[in-house]
This record gives sequence, C-alpha cells and structure tokens, in this order.
Amino acid sequence: DTGVSQDPRHKITKRGQNVTFRCDPISEHNRLYWYRQTLGQGPEFLTYFQNEAQLEKSRLLSDRFSAERPKGSFSTLEIQRTEQGDSAMYLCASSFLQEGEKLFFGSGTQLSVL
Amino acid sequence: QQPVQSPQAVILREGEDAVINCSSSKALYSVHWYRQKHGEAPVFLMILLKGGEQKGHDKISASFNEKKQQSSLYLTASQLSYSGTYFCGTPVNFGNEKLTFGTGTRLTIIP
Repeated sequence: DTGVSQDPRHKITKRGQNVTFRCDPISEHNRLYWYRQTLGQGPEFLTYFQNEAQLEKSRLLSDRFSAERPKGSFSTLEIQRTEQGDSAMYLCASSFLQEGEKLFFGSGTQLSVL
Repeated sequence: QQPVQSPQAVILREGEDAVINCSSSKALYSVHWYRQKHGEAPVFLMILLKGGEQKGHDKISASFNEKKQQSSLYLTASQLSYSGTYFCGTPVNFGNEKLTFGTGTRLTIIP
C-alpha cells in the first residue's frame, strides 16, 4: 500500500493557461474523489468516480474543469483557461467500496494562478 | 450545507483535554472525522454512525447525537502529535458518498 499519490505537488501558471493534475489512487480502491481546499477552509467536493464512471460532479465545477479516470485506474483533472480564483489545493482521495466512506487522501497539488 | 465547527481554534498544554464540536442544520446520517497537519493530507480518524455510538481511537473518542444533529470529538491527555486542524465531514444525504466538510478546528498543543 503506497498511498494516494498526486503530481505535481506544486504548479504555478499564468492566468488563461491550461493545467492538468494527476492522481494515482491506492491500487485496489474503486472510488476516486477530487476535492478543492482553500486556506482556512475544509475540503470542497468537486467530483467522484466509481471505477471509470464519473458519478457526480459539483455545481462548483464550471465547464472549464474536466476530470477523467480511464480504465478505472489513475485520474486526471484538467482546468482550462485558468483564473486567479482557481488558486487552491487540489486534493485527490480514494476509497474501497467495502470499507464504507473511509477516504485516503493524497498530499494534494497546490495551484497558484498569477 | 456546511457543518459548523467550534471552537475555530484552541491552544492546549500537553496533557490537557479538548472537545471539538460539529453541528449541522440538516439531519445527520453519519459523521466523519479527519485530522490534517500543516502541509499534509487529511488523515481519517473515525466514522460515527446513527445510534449515538461512541468510538475511540487511542485517546481520541467521539460521540454522535442524532437528535441534536451534532458530534463531538474528545481528545484526552493531549499529546504534541495531536496538533493539526480537525475537520468533520457529513454526507449530503443518506447513502451519498459525497462529504461536506466543516471549516475546521485548529488545535495547537504546546509543551
């Protein structure tokens, strides 16, 4: 069990650029979640997958955001035409259906949009 | 709707006890507790289910009062390693896997 890994750890980009983050969940976990966290706040749900199917997407997620989980393994979160308001920590978490909703979080990708 | 946590921050000396509360305006089906240290990922502590059961994890325990729609986290004889921000999370509705997290309680333990 190597834990949930996210790449990159930090990303600095200019407004208007596209960015993509990757998450590798714990291998036997079938659920994968994306959350966003800003300073002093709790994580906010963005979207989640069960295997390769994206089951729910938050209203917070504008059309500029897209997430995929091909073959039910790793996941990518892409933000197009970034805005300063997108600056946040993007957290990925995974869970195993039979273990209920116990989430294992990755260390996150800190995005700064200049 | 986001659960409300209190206090927002607390400073304790090593060995003292603390209580962190989590309240919701909506019916609670379960309450999840996580701890996040600065610059690290949130780490799962425990899940409380309907029925008011109290769970324990080392010297950290929690209760769930379904009627009052709140949960409390108890930290007994706090250790330096307990420092961090504690979040409660509640499912949007029954059977929903999506958690809504509170704003957090920052706990600082000093020697």
